[in-house]
Amino acid sequence: GAVVSQHPSRVICKSGTSVKIECRSLDFQATTMFWYRQFPKQSLMLMATSNEGSKATYEQGVEKDKFLINHASLTLSTLTVTSAHPEDSSFYICSALMGQWGTEAFFGQGTRLTVV
Amino acid sequence: RKEVEQDPGPFNVPEGATVAFNCTYSNSASQSFFWYRQDCRKEPKLLMSVYSSGNEDGRFTAQLNRASQYISLLIRDSKLSDSATYLCVVDRNNAGNMLTFGGGTRLMVKP
Repeated sequence: GAVVSQHPSRVICKSGTSVKIECRSLDFQATTMFWYRQFPKQSLMLMATSNEGSKATYEQGVEKDKFLINHASLTLSTLTVTSAHPEDSSFYICSALMGQWGTEAFFGQGTRLTVV
Repeated sequence: RKEVEQDPGPFNVPEGATVAFNCTYSNSASQSFFWYRQDCRKEPKLLMSVYSSGNEDGRFTAQLNRASQYISLLIRDSKLSDSATYLCVVDRNNAGNMLTFGGGTRLMVKP
């Protein structure tokens, strides 16, 4: 099946620093990727939709200046958490749809971010 | 009211048992429905899509009731490896770009 690779799988950073998370579609092109956040014992919450070659679409309540998304190619989207704070500690997961009309979302392995 | 609601569980069942989960959704315009499985600290993986006519895949049966706006997942002959969190996912259109996740139902299958 299609593979979406997310890196790093785990990161610990100091408060105030920035962290970049990469999401790659390995064997297909993804014009659209999605970034989710999942707090412990909660469901995935969509943060933003990443569109190749254009600006990301953010969900209500998600700060676009804090969570920078870049989708420069058809196989790579990055999420940068800027000036991270302990409350940003969470599990971040990306997903991509396969094909123009694909409805199955393939997820990356997730990134567990801990801000200390 | 949450857009997609699930009983968080946990459901503790013995091996071999049959267990059923329900999920309700609030947006009557929702088009596509899925069950995903998520293991602890891992990414969700598609278990099965849910069709209006109901569908079965081995020990798993999914059903959709549009009139009552709920989706169900039935697992027969539970295995230890079925222990996971099951996420009900609703897509508001058929393009896959408006997925809303339920909070998940945790299943624990005991020996």
